[in-house]
Amino acid sequence: SYVLTQPPSVSVAPGVTASITCGGNNIGSRSVQWYQQKPGQAPVLVIYYDRDRPSGIPERFSGSSSGNTATLTISRVEAGDEADYYCQVWEASIDHVIFGGGTKLTVL
Amino acid sequence: QVQLMQSGAEVREPGASVQVSCKTSGYTFSAHYIHWVRQAPGQGLEWMGRINPKSGGTSYAQKFRDWVTMTTDTSISTAHIELSGLKSGDTAVYYCVRGIVAGPHIWFDLWGHGTLVTVSS
Repeated sequence: SYVLTQPPSVSVAPGVTASITCGGNNIGSRSVQWYQQKPGQAPVLVIYYDRDRPSGIPERFSGSSSGNTATLTISRVEAGDEADYYCQVWEASIDHVIFGGGTKLTVL
Repeated sequence: QVQLMQSGAEVREPGASVQVSCKTSGYTFSAHYIHWVRQAPGQGLEWMGRINPKSGGTSYAQKFRDWVTMTTDTSISTAHIELSGLKSGDTAVYYCVRGIVAGPHIWFDLWGHGTLVTVSS
């Protein structure tokens, strides 16, 4: 079955750029979504279709995908961005949704 | 207001069953699949399956196929998930989620607040 691999944690200082990766076999050929989850809350969609942002999501959030890696980039990181981030794809051949294991973003 | 409102927290003993409900509002219920995602304490997100409210057709992840049943009641725009033969490892927050489909792409744009199911003797 298809597997998405994320680093367990990423730490950055406020104001810099954070990059969270999501690895998968030929992931660049799929549509990748990203969700932000803060403690005690439901996840929120921050990127869909590799790079599109839902309304209300700051421009600081961007996405890209190529080859075997998709990347969520958060520019000018703020303390409020501290959360868990999950990537997601759809395995169309078996009509299953797959999540990555999640990455905890810590703002130092 | 577009939202998914889930039923309240439940406590069950091992071997019991539980039903979690998800009442939708603010959009055409039959227009979008409802998915269920669970999250065990301190763990990541796990997709359980989905249901097509228009046809009732379902697709379950392999590990849930034999003990999870998803249904909908279109008359009240509500989705349900029934979990049977509960084990302590099924203790988790269960989310209902609206799925948006665009060609070969699916994403989740609307999440319920989650329902904590605790399995304990």
